[in-house]
Amino acid sequence: TQLLEQSPQFLSIQEGENLTVYCNSSSVFSSLQWYRQEPGEGPVLLVTVVTGGEVKKLKRLTFQFGDARKDSSLHITAAQPGDTGLYLCAGAPLDSNYQLIWGAGTKLIIKP
Amino acid sequence: EPEVTQTPSHQVTQMGQEVILRCVPISNHLYFYWYRQILGQKVEFLVSFYNNEISEKSEIFDDQFSVERPDGSNFTLKIRSTKLEDSAMYFCASSESRPRGSPLHFGNGTRLTVT
Repeated sequence: TQLLEQSPQFLSIQEGENLTVYCNSSSVFSSLQWYRQEPGEGPVLLVTVVTGGEVKKLKRLTFQFGDARKDSSLHITAAQPGDTGLYLCAGAPLDSNYQLIWGAGTKLIIKP
Repeated sequence: EPEVTQTPSHQVTQMGQEVILRCVPISNHLYFYWYRQILGQKVEFLVSFYNNEISEKSEIFDDQFSVERPDGSNFTLKIRSTKLEDSAMYFCASSESRPRGSPLHFGNGTRLTVT
């Protein structure tokens, strides 16, 4: 069974600080997606990374896919209260064309 | 921006009853999915649907579950005889192509409570 382990599960920091969320697996994924989920809503895609070593930036968010395509990280620079939410990583396994394997999520709270 | 819509937002049913959860995917999308999220747990894949048939299903998607695209717009998930452990948020999603390269667009979910 392929698993994605996210860490930390919960993070509460002050506005302006930097943070990194990790998504790790022992399995290789063909791509990895990061989603953000607000209470009472479905996940909303932030980014998809496909190539080993790939780095993508979305304003203050930087996403990196590991060279071996087994792990990924999300780095937020100068966090703002609007970044508060649940961040989920989801990987497309090599042996499936259709499903995504999900991490348990990181609940992020940015205090003003 | 086009969105995936799900109805109802909350469904309460008694154990053993049948429920149908409804979804309207984004109109030009070809791939449809049901995922569920039990409270406090990970999002879990149930089933994917393409070209009017199930393309992949998980171990969770047993004989009690079925999906249907009865017309050109709706995509439904039926649970024939609900169990307490079926209580969860059920998310419908759609995509233009397979998830490897195409983002999934999720609805806001149906909260199913089985009593």
